[in-house]
Amino acid sequence: DGGITQSPKYLFRKEGQNVTLSCEQNLNHDAMYWYRQDPGQGLRLIYYSQIVNDFQKGDIAEGYSVSREKKESFPLTVTSAQKNPTAFYLCASSIVPGGGVGYTFGSGTRLTVV
Amino acid sequence: KNEVEQSPQNLTAQEGEFITINCSYSVGISALHWLQQHPGGGIVSLFMLSSGKKKHGRLIATINIQEKHSSLHITASHPRDSAVYICAVRLVGGGADGLTFGKGTHLIIQP
Repeated sequence: DGGITQSPKYLFRKEGQNVTLSCEQNLNHDAMYWYRQDPGQGLRLIYYSQIVNDFQKGDIAEGYSVSREKKESFPLTVTSAQKNPTAFYLCASSIVPGGGVGYTFGSGTRLTVV
Repeated sequence: KNEVEQSPQNLTAQEGEFITINCSYSVGISALHWLQQHPGGGIVSLFMLSSGKKKHGRLIATINIQEKHSSLHITASHPRDSAVYICAVRLVGGGADGLTFGKGTHLIIQP
């Protein structure tokens, strides 16, 4: 079955270390997204990519970086510059950019920085 | 950016009750999604609406474009329906940056 795989489910890192969260999809979707979820807040967009080798900053991109070298993969790196990295991170994809159709979410990665 | 408001924020009900969760938004949209997030965190898409009403099993979603309002109903609620329900919209003329999300409604169905 097609879907989005995020790994790992739980991740612990020491403060000051960079960490990369994996997101892989086998849906043949062009667009991919990274969201951050904090308690009591809606999902906030970190980065999105409409097509391979292209990506754009979302609302809260500071302290994060991404790459889109393959259609299937959109890894997110949380850098040491991110001031409050502990959060739940969700990856999503859609058939076409903008998410009107075929919007699919991964199961998320919970990052804890100690 | 468009604000998506959901109500109530929290809802606790008894098994079998009819549940209504509301979503209102402030500007024009081309589509509205209802999503379900279970305690493990993964999100499942329940409905995508642009007009009218959709039904799937015990779930019904309606949208009134003129009033900028949507409701998600659950009939004969069951403890397994306990989850966070999220409303998300696709703005008219919106770019490639995806959806705008409400903060979610945390639903608990007690046996």
